[in-house]
Amino acid sequence: DIVMTQTPLSSPVTLGQPASISCRSSQSLVHSDGNTYLSWLQQRPGQPPRLLIYKISNRFSGVPDRFSGSGAGTDFTLKISRVEAEDVGVYYCMQAKQFPFTFGGGTKVEIK
Amino acid sequence: QVQLVESGGGVVQPGRSLRLSCAASGFTFSNYGMHWVRQAPGKGLEWVAVIWYDASNKYYVDSVKGRFTISRDNSKNTLYLQMNSLRAEDTAVYYCARYDGGTIFGLDQWGQGTLVTVSS
Repeated sequence: DIVMTQTPLSSPVTLGQPASISCRSSQSLVHSDGNTYLSWLQQRPGQPPRLLIYKISNRFSGVPDRFSGSGAGTDFTLKISRVEAEDVGVYYCMQAKQFPFTFGGGTKVEIK
Repeated sequence: QVQLVESGGGVVQPGRSLRLSCAASGFTFSNYGMHWVRQAPGKGLEWVAVIWYDASNKYYVDSVKGRFTISRDNSKNTLYLQMNSLRAEDTAVYYCARYDGGTIFGLDQWGQGTLVTVSS
């Protein structure tokens, strides 16, 4: 199974300041078709997960442009350019290259 | 709009069975692979199972193989998860999620979840 490791576990951020979350996979997420199936999800308190970013860097419909994804191979990053109050929650990376799909352990973004 | 509504959760004793349902609407259900993902209380997300759009393939996480069965009824736009021989460690909120394998290649729509508690 592909192990997904996220850092940090927790990220206290001042409103309006940037936040960055890292995700590392135990093996390359580049599929034989050339795509990299790495996505980011947000889970606000008491809510189900919500897709933010797919295939490393593509924002899902309705996702604000302050969210961006980058990376390649085994190392990926989610950035929030200016954190807003509604961004509080837990963020997960997920690989969909092979079964079982696996998630990172989650990074909690909270306001200082 | 796309809606996924899970049901069937509850409190069940260890060793017993439960069947979860996920009613889909707002999209052509028979065109999409569907997944179950669970989240134990206070923990992270764990992928459980997938079923192809036409039920031709199914995969499970090792911890539920031989105990859980994923299925679907495309005529009813409904996804199922039959859970047998339940254990305390199966206690979790169970989410159904749609997989977009055309453009996104990810889980793009999620239900609100249904809570399963395995306890004597």
